[in-house]
Amino acid sequence: EADIYQTPRYLVIGTGKKITLECSQTMGHDKMYWYQQDPGMELHLIHYSYGVNSTEKGDLSSESTVSRIRTEHFPLTLESARPSHTSQYLCASSKSEMDRVFGSGTQLSVL
Amino acid sequence: SQQGEEDPQALSIQEGENATMNCSYKTSINNLQWYRQNSGRGLVHLILIRSNEREKHSGRLRVTLDTSKKSSSLLITASRAADTASYFCATSNSNSGYALNFGKGTSLLVTP
Repeated sequence: EADIYQTPRYLVIGTGKKITLECSQTMGHDKMYWYQQDPGMELHLIHYSYGVNSTEKGDLSSESTVSRIRTEHFPLTLESARPSHTSQYLCASSKSEMDRVFGSGTQLSVL
Repeated sequence: SQQGEEDPQALSIQEGENATMNCSYKTSINNLQWYRQNSGRGLVHLILIRSNEREKHSGRLRVTLDTSKKSSSLLITASRAADTASYFCATSNSNSGYALNFGKGTSLLVTP
């Protein structure tokens, strides 16, 4: 059972709204990641963090922002949601290359 | 940037048969990992093979790695209906740190 939690599980929201996707892990992992995945497609890394106060952009350009104020918490924020942001967002954490753990994901739909 | 490419995109087999999925990648890697994803869920790590390894086993899983061809294969033996899922390969290299580059995945359907 994974000790990484994402909320909400599903989110349907109107265009222009500000949203925050939550991700928390209880494993004390230093490294955390956000991936974006469209149906039937590969995962694209959009943000990652190697520790508190460390955030980096991933390979896929994203209008979202992240913060890492606490080790266990890595929220992702969209200031103004658009239909093009509709996707599944997966959070993951790891201590090393071996033990990457994924959350169940947040399915975001922007109308 | 996309690194891994799985082949085939979709595979349908019957229980008891073996399933083979392939992954090709473009640049040098430190290791290659295989993940499984049930529909609408997160990914579960299956197995990791390092660039200096050629074959690895874990239960009914067998992974091979050919760095000269930049390819890997995942074999699931004696498949079960519960193996139905999407399978992704992911690579990491010295430039990506611990960040992984995922392929598009192979969708496996195992019918009773």
